[in-house]
Amino acid sequence: EIVMTQSPATLSVSPGERATLSCRASQTISSNLAWYQQRPGQAPRLLIYGASTRATGIPARFSGSGSGTEFTLTISSLQSEDFAVYYCQQYNHWPRTFGQGTKVEIK
Amino acid sequence: EVQLVESGGGLVQPGGSLRLSCAASGFTFSSYEMNWVRQAPGLGLEWISYIGSTGATTFYAESVKGRFTISRDNAKNSLLLQMNSLRAEDTAVYYCTRDRGERFDGDAFDIWGQGTRVAVSS
Repeated sequence: EIVMTQSPATLSVSPGERATLSCRASQTISSNLAWYQQRPGQAPRLLIYGASTRATGIPARFSGSGSGTEFTLTISSLQSEDFAVYYCQQYNHWPRTFGQGTKVEIK
Repeated sequence: EVQLVESGGGLVQPGGSLRLSCAASGFTFSSYEMNWVRQAPGLGLEWISYIGSTGATTFYAESVKGRFTISRDNAKNSLLLQMNSLRAEDTAVYYCTRDRGERFDGDAFDIWGQGTRVAVSS
């Protein structure tokens, strides 16, 4: 099973600032990496797929990068609605696996 | 509107059974692969099962293999999860999700239902 490790566990950021979240895979997963956002009390929402492609309707302030085993999600200027938990997920191998999540909180 | 709506959750005793349903609308259900993902209280996301578009191919997480069965009824636009021999650690919100369908051998999950809660307790 591929283990996905996210860092940091919690990120404290002021509105308008940049946030950088990391995700590492225990084996190479090519670019088969997705990022999801989960706001409190809501279902997760797909942000990024293919490591760097924004899903439909996702603002341009969200960007993804990386391939192989190292990936990054960047939120260029945090808005109030961006404070949430973010999960990475690999879909290169079975079973599909998620990272443990990074909580982005207001500083 | 593309939508997934889960139902069937509830409180069940350890060792009991429950069947979850997911009603799909707004897209051609029979063309998409589907998954179940769960989230235990206060914890992260766990993928538990996948089914191909025709139902011929299924995969399971080790944590549920042999106890849970995924199936689909394309005529009724419905995804099912039969859960048997339930344990306390199966307590979670269960989400129905759709594969994007652009990649052979599975894709990211682009549509999620609102989830249905399952509690396993005596």
